[in-house]
Amino acid sequence: QVQLVESGGGVVQPGRSLRLSCAASGFTFTSYGMHWVRQAPGKGLEWVAVVSYDGSNKYYADSVKGRFTISRDNSKNTLYLQMNSLRAEDTAVYYCAKSYWELLLNDAFDIWGQGTMVTVSS
Amino acid sequence: DIQMTQSPSTLSASVGDRVTITCRASQSISSWLAWYQQKPGKAPKLLIFKASSLESGVPSRFSGSGSGTEFTLTISSLQPDDFATYYCQQYNGYSSWTFGQGTKVEIK
Repeated sequence: QVQLVESGGGVVQPGRSLRLSCAASGFTFTSYGMHWVRQAPGKGLEWVAVVSYDGSNKYYADSVKGRFTISRDNSKNTLYLQMNSLRAEDTAVYYCAKSYWELLLNDAFDIWGQGTMVTVSS
Repeated sequence: DIQMTQSPSTLSASVGDRVTITCRASQSISSWLAWYQQKPGKAPKLLIFKASSLESGVPSRFSGSGSGTEFTLTISSLQPDDFATYYCQQYNGYSSWTFGQGTKVEIK
């Protein structure tokens, strides 16, 4: 079945780095834009970043621009989020999500992973 | 950036009630709006896309309407499984995807 599985979360000190992964299965990964969305404890959803189906276009929320990098390896059906210079306010559950339609970026998110928790604390 | 404002923030209702949640965009987003349901400890679930299109497998008691800057999510007859938090999301531009702050539907 269509599935996204995140991994790589954990506890990290402020200023350090962490890389999240999202393994996709059950659909043609190479045809869909992919997003990262986060949710701080007890808070709402915040879009973080998107990468186009072929990796050629990437966009970021202002809150992470210059610190986070989204990428994908279509040969491995895997999405990544490299997070550098982490701050306490980056503490959240991070979800990967799939764009609804093939090739589009301005789209709803029809499939979500279960999320991985990132805690930034000294 | 486009801001999304949901109302109310919390809604108390009973099983069988008709429930309406409103979402307003700070500028026109045409019909590029989605609604999601989220239960505690779970990932969001897509209910409605393009303002009024029902996602496959979602019960028909859920409906969406609106265009431009004003949108609504309606649950025609609230069921026990519907108690959750609901988020609207705009996807009008190619560089930002914004969520509303959420509406928690509680048992009255």
